[in-house]
Amino acid sequence: QQQVKQSPQSLIVQKGGISIINCAYENTAFDYFPWYQQFPGKGPALLIAIRPDVSEKKEGRFTISFNKSAKQFSLHIMDSQPGDSATYFCAASKGETSGSRLTFGEGTQLTVNP
Amino acid sequence: GAGVSQTPSNKVTEKGKYVELRCDPISGHTALYWYRQSLGQGPEFLIYFQGTGAADDSGLPNDRFFAVRPEGSVSTLKIQRTERGDSAVYLCASSFPGGTQYFGPGTRLTVL
Repeated sequence: QQQVKQSPQSLIVQKGGISIINCAYENTAFDYFPWYQQFPGKGPALLIAIRPDVSEKKEGRFTISFNKSAKQFSLHIMDSQPGDSATYFCAASKGETSGSRLTFGEGTQLTVNP
Repeated sequence: GAGVSQTPSNKVTEKGKYVELRCDPISGHTALYWYRQSLGQGPEFLIYFQGTGAADDSGLPNDRFFAVRPEGSVSTLKIQRTERGDSAVYLCASSFPGGTQYFGPGTRLTVL
């Protein structure tokens, strides 16, 4: 059972454009939603995370929008740059407490053309 | 200030062989996780350690997989009688309790 569904599978954006990646979850017990960025040959690295008590969180060019009633959340990358080209994973866990195993989406391969 | 390290970076083995994959967590991190990432997929949880004990091993696919963390620091993931379907990147992550998980670069396992 896929508990976190991510779309699109791949995304091509021009430099300076906005990249949008969407995720939907099923388990209402999830209450911590991070986004990870992964470059080839590297492990995933935390980009930004949100809890369901807020609807939006912004850090620099990266924004998470969260819709608790729809059980959906999305990542927006403003002013996308070629260096942002990577695979992005949304994830969810049951709280940021001990034992918070992450359930990942399938990933989105982002390409930002110069 | 070293991050999570994993060795070897690549491992090629034959079907039926035994392999060990090592993870050195960030110093002071008491929580340690193992995930498996198949090509084109997101990481899938395998096992979680808090200190020396496996607090959650529900993600291990079968009894050929086993992991230890005898001194609460380094962990070893052990796979017996490897199968071609075990081929994947095995990722290790560590954190403070309740903290952000920091991932290592992974071990790419290929079973021929």
